[in-house]
Amino acid sequence: DSGVTQTPKHLITATGQRVTLRCSPRSGDLSVYWYQQSLDQGLQFLIQYYNGEERAKGNILERFSAQQFPDLHSELNLSSLELGDSALYFCASSLGIYNEQFFGPGTRLTVL
Amino acid sequence: AQTVTQSQPEMSVQEAETVTLSCTYDTSESDYYLFWYKQPPSRQMILVIRQEAYKQQNATENRFSVNFQKAAKSFSLKISDSQLGDAAMYFCAYRSAPYNQGGKLIFGQGTELSVKP
Repeated sequence: DSGVTQTPKHLITATGQRVTLRCSPRSGDLSVYWYQQSLDQGLQFLIQYYNGEERAKGNILERFSAQQFPDLHSELNLSSLELGDSALYFCASSLGIYNEQFFGPGTRLTVL
Repeated sequence: AQTVTQSQPEMSVQEAETVTLSCTYDTSESDYYLFWYKQPPSRQMILVIRQEAYKQQNATENRFSVNFQKAAKSFSLKISDSQLGDAAMYFCAYRSAPYNQGGKLIFGQGTELSVKP
């Protein structure tokens, strides 16, 4: 157990819908990262937050957005879902920007 | 932009034997970090080993060691005395030094390792 929690574990929804994935970092970690793992694209970095501020952005679609709240938990919002958004979404956290990243168990999103 | 390439989609090893997984990367940066992550069937991402580019000495963690060749931009993982529990997908990953682009990890495509009893 890495100490990073993600909810829900599984999510099944339809095209065009909107979902929210939640991540709670390890106690004391200030940085949160979101990654997407799909068969087509492999493991891709989406976005990083550090202490509530966006720190780095990767290949995140405009339909996707994220934020980190004052209690340091983070949410990834996916809207206008398409079949190709089906993937495993990982959250990771680290103490600072350059410390080891600990990964959560992931949220498996299935878009039908 | 940095890229990471793992040219072996699948590898197989006999239990107790040694196996080496290959990874090459492309970067114009001089300071960075390299990692190997393990993803077992549970899908949990587990850090196996890390290497700082400024260190010439190859990292070692118990049965896991790396061969880091900075000039060749090569970073291979050697697993000695392979165990059934080593069966997993292994990902090579790159991260820029902290003053550059934050802490994002850039992953290779992965190598599926099977261990035969």
